[in-house]
Amino acid sequence: DVKVTQSSRYLVKRTGEKVFLECVQDMDHENMFWYRQDPGLGLRLIYFSYDVKMKEKGDIPEGYSVSREKKERFSLILESASTNQTSMYLCASSLAGAVLLEKLFFGSGTQLSVL
Amino acid sequence: DQQVKQNSPSLSVQEGRISILNCDYTNSMFDYFLWYKKYPAEGPTFLISISSIKDKNEDGRFTVFLNKSAKHLSLHIVPSQPGDSAVYFCAASSEFSSNTGKLIFGQGTTLQVKP
Repeated sequence: DVKVTQSSRYLVKRTGEKVFLECVQDMDHENMFWYRQDPGLGLRLIYFSYDVKMKEKGDIPEGYSVSREKKERFSLILESASTNQTSMYLCASSLAGAVLLEKLFFGSGTQLSVL
Repeated sequence: DQQVKQNSPSLSVQEGRISILNCDYTNSMFDYFLWYKKYPAEGPTFLISISSIKDKNEDGRFTVFLNKSAKHLSLHIVPSQPGDSAVYFCAASSEFSSNTGKLIFGQGTTLQVKP
């Protein structure tokens, strides 16, 4: 079974702090994604990466950056956390290839609270 | 601008009856549609998909219908079971022929199936 592991289930940070959210997948997937889930807004794509050291902005990249130095690891960075970044963050991965679109595997999520 | 919309935040049905979850989209370039299911404290998991060349896809108790002219799709669950109680996300992609696997998600509908 594919496993996507997010390093923390709950995280509490203060405004202005630099925050790192880590995600690791164990199935050699090329694509990795960061989403945030908010009530009434659903899942919104922050950044994605289709290869090591490659990154693409999603729909809401402002205030975030990412790092993909190794194929299995995709990090989301909040340079200076703000209260409007309080959210559930979901990491996902998939193999490259259109026919495998449904094979998007999610981690369990990190609930981040910024105080 | 929400390209994929689930206008009903919640739905409650009796066990054994039909559940119908609706989804509308605005981008005519979308050519692949998926439904994901999410339980609390877990990541979303793939449920069923449909490509734009079809108008129906069935998998056991789950059927997805696509009406391209109306830019509308629906998920039917028959018969509904208490274990189906979850948040259901509609998702769409305009990149069926690409490798990035980028999905646009709706806001989600919380389904409650009462015993």
